[in-house]
Amino acid sequence: EVQLVESGGALVKPGGSLRLSCAASGFTFSGVWMNWVRQAPGKGLEWVGRIKSKIDGGTTDYAAPVEGRFTISRDDSENTLYMQMNSLKTEDTAVYYCTTDYHGMLNNWGQGTLVTVSS
Amino acid sequence: DIVMTQSPDSLAVSLGERATINCKSSQSVLYTSDNRNYLAWYQQRPGQPPKLLIYWASTRESGVPDRFSGSGSGTDFTLTISSLQAEDVAVYYCQQYYSTPPALTFGGGTKVEIK
Repeated sequence: EVQLVESGGALVKPGGSLRLSCAASGFTFSGVWMNWVRQAPGKGLEWVGRIKSKIDGGTTDYAAPVEGRFTISRDDSENTLYMQMNSLKTEDTAVYYCTTDYHGMLNNWGQGTLVTVSS
Repeated sequence: DIVMTQSPDSLAVSLGERATINCKSSQSVLYTSDNRNYLAWYQQRPGQPPKLLIYWASTRESGVPDRFSGSGSGTDFTLTISSLQAEDVAVYYCQQYYSTPPALTFGGGTKVEIK
C-alpha cells in the first residue's frame, strides 16, 4: 500500500524558513516523480512544484509564486521528499501535500502538513 | 499557463439524482500525437486529501465507482455522478497536465451537497 507522510509544518514568522519532509513507502520511490501541492485555508488546490526521478534527470519545476524561494529535493536512499521553504510570506499559509506523479496525474496524496506564516 | 474554469461553484442534488460538473480550459489539452486529453478529476471529501477519480478525461481510477464518469475533449469537459450517494459529498477539482512545465493547474473546485 502506498503511503506518503508529510511532516515539518509549523508556525513561522514572515521571512522565516521551514523544511517539509514526505516519507514514502509501498512503492519504488526512486522511479517516481513527486510533487508538492498546497491548499490555503478554505481555498482550492495550488500546484507548488515537482521533482523528476533521477533516471529522468532529477530536475525541478516550480510555480511562479514560489520560484526562487522554495527548493524541492529528494533522498532516494531514505525514500524521502523534501521542500526547503525560505523567505516565507503570509500567503504561503496552507496545508502542503506531497503527491506521486504519473504523467502529470497526481495519483497518491499524503494527509498534508500545515504551514502557518504569521507574526 | 492554462487556466481551468469550473462551473458551477456549488450544487445541491437529491440523493439518487444526477450531478454534473463542468470544466473549461483556456486552451486545448488534447495532445494530438496520442489523441489523449490531459485532464484529470479529483474528489476531496471534508477533512481529507484529494483523491484521483478520473484521468485522460474519461478513465476511472481503480476502485472508483462506475457512477462517476468523465467526458469531453479539447477545452470542454464534464464530470457526471449518475446517482448521487451520501459519500459523494465533496469538492471536485479538474486539473490539466498538458502544459507542464510551467505548471499543473487546477480548476477552482465545485462543492457538491445533498439537497
